[in-house]
Amino acid sequence: DAGITQSPRYKITETGRQVTLMCHQTWSHSYMFWYRQDLGHGLRLIYYSAAADITDKGEVPDGYVVSRSKTENFPLTLESATRSQTSVYFCASANYEQYFGPGTRLTVT
Amino acid sequence: QKEVEQNSGPLSVPEGAIASLNCTYSDRGSQSFFWYRQYSGKSPELIMSIYSNGDKEDGRFTAQLNKASQYVSLLIRDSQPSDSATYLCAVNIMPQAGTALIFGKGTTLSVSS
Repeated sequence: DAGITQSPRYKITETGRQVTLMCHQTWSHSYMFWYRQDLGHGLRLIYYSAAADITDKGEVPDGYVVSRSKTENFPLTLESATRSQTSVYFCASANYEQYFGPGTRLTVT
Repeated sequence: QKEVEQNSGPLSVPEGAIASLNCTYSDRGSQSFFWYRQYSGKSPELIMSIYSNGDKEDGRFTAQLNKASQYVSLLIRDSQPSDSATYLCAVNIMPQAGTALIFGKGTTLSVSS
């Protein structure tokens, strides 16, 4: 089915470990985004990408790395996970209106 | 600092009533406006977009935009218990998607049967 998917849906990891969250879209949208959602903060942009090999920082990029070698994929890597990165992560894609994936609930212990 | 403000609620309305959700934004250059619905534990779902002053209707939903007042609202007519969710207002300061959206923290709507 066409759409936007994220994996894993749930992840528990330990402090200091590297974690990669995957995002895949089948709409051929040019733009892709990573947000985190925390109680009291709402949705905050981490990184976004306008096309393959073009990425830019959002509001809260520290501790995260992204890449976009193919239009359809936009993985987000936490290089050394910290407890403050416990959150729900949403990927979104757009040509104009943004559509969100189902989210990944990440817990860092 | 560009901001989008919403009353966190909860906004409680009886079934069949009109629910009115409001949003203000700080950047006068904002050009496109969106309403998302988010059920608990789920991802945001786009329900309305509006780009010019006035009203835009889609089924039971009406979005209203007043750029002079920097105000956008969402009216839900004939509210149903299934409308109970958090509603997120989002603003884009550019006409294209590239700069991403600035989100309000959301208003929680509760519709009682």
